[in-house]
Amino acid sequence: SQTIHQWPATLVQPVGSPLSLECTVEGTSNPNLYWYRQAAGRGLQLLFYSVGIGQISSEVPQNLSASRPQDRQFILSSKKLLLSDSGFYLCAWSHSGNYEQYFGPGTRLTVT
Amino acid sequence: RKEVEQDPGPFNVPEGATVAFNCTYSNSASQSFFWYRQDCRKEPKLLMSVYSSGNEDGRFTAQLNRASQYISLLIRDSKLSDSATYLCVVNGGSQGNLIFGKGTKLSVKP
Repeated sequence: SQTIHQWPATLVQPVGSPLSLECTVEGTSNPNLYWYRQAAGRGLQLLFYSVGIGQISSEVPQNLSASRPQDRQFILSSKKLLLSDSGFYLCAWSHSGNYEQYFGPGTRLTVT
Repeated sequence: RKEVEQDPGPFNVPEGATVAFNCTYSNSASQSFFWYRQDCRKEPKLLMSVYSSGNEDGRFTAQLNRASQYISLLIRDSKLSDSATYLCVVNGGSQGNLIFGKGTKLSVKP
């Protein structure tokens, strides 16, 4: 069966510091991968998605970036965090060509 | 019009009650529809897909009305463990991107 991992689970970072969140999927090959953010009281916002290694599409312009160095690894980064970057960051995967997405446990980020 | 709209609730119901959630979507080209469940401070989990003919999974029934661009979820015989936020989800972007509603909060009381 497939599993998806994210770390860290929680993170408190000062404004202007860098960020690196990691997501890995096990038990499947060539998945589509997604990064979402859920701010307090708001819906899920798609940030990035990837259909393969090195292929990243951005949905929302911002100071975040994503990379996919390996088939089942997806990384969300920032060089300098803003207060508005606080939120619940969720990684998800789907089979290629399938719309059903499965989420990791998320990282709760607080920027102070 | 928002892409996916849901009544935010909260719906406060007693155990054993039947409760229905509604959702409307704006993109008439959408082809895939889902209900996800999200517990407090947890990740969303796929509850069920919604098919054109309607589908049932135990106490849960989902229906789709393409003409009205309307999706519903019915929960029968509510349990305390059904307390959560229910997200209506529709595909609407490229590459299979999903659009999530903000969710309807359900609280089942003893």
